[in-house]
Amino acid sequence: AQTVTQSQPEMSVQEAETVTLSCTYDTSESDYYLFWYKQPPSRQMILVIRQEAYKQQNATENRFSVNFQKAAKSFSLKISDSQLGDAAMYFCAYRKDRYSGAGSYQLTFGKGTKLSVIP
Amino acid sequence: DAGVTQSPTHLIKTRGQHVTLRCSPISGHKSVSWYQQVLGQGPQFIFQYYEKEERGRGNFPDRFSARQFPNYSSELNVNALLLGDSALYLCASSFAGYYGYTFGSGTRLTVV
Repeated sequence: AQTVTQSQPEMSVQEAETVTLSCTYDTSESDYYLFWYKQPPSRQMILVIRQEAYKQQNATENRFSVNFQKAAKSFSLKISDSQLGDAAMYFCAYRKDRYSGAGSYQLTFGKGTKLSVIP
Repeated sequence: DAGVTQSPTHLIKTRGQHVTLRCSPISGHKSVSWYQQVLGQGPQFIFQYYEKEERGRGNFPDRFSARQFPNYSSELNVNALLLGDSALYLCASSFAGYYGYTFGSGTRLTVV
């Protein structure tokens, strides 16, 4: 079974600074997707960034980028120029790429990292 | 365009009761998944439906059931509620079950 581990329950960052959130995962699959989701107090899970395992290039979305280390099974999220609106719970998630039976496309989440942004 | 709509947003139930949670996916999305998020934890997969067929079930007891209707909306039913069923229940829709998921804002269930 796949597992996702986020070892930082809480992090804080000064406004305009850079912060990195860590995520490691365990899988025997070679093809999969990794995601970072943001969950503000409004509760809705919002997709921040997605990485396909077969792509060597790290994904970027504006101020958000990832450091994907497939061999190390590590997938960290870097937030640059942090803004007050970035304060939220951040969840790392894994999903298989290929269909191999029921439940193949389920998302497996880590326990989350609570990010606080200090003005 | 409307996003994923879940109802109700909050509800309180007594132990032993039954509850039905509802989810309307984004127009055109044929797959709906349900997740349970206990306070302080990440979401846990409960069910996935695609084209009205169950495509996956997580490690939850038989008290949990779901179905998907012809218009692709979905219901999650929980029987014989336990205190431990208190959680945020999230619905996510996707076009075909393997594209990106869009989540609703969830239903906060409190069992007393």
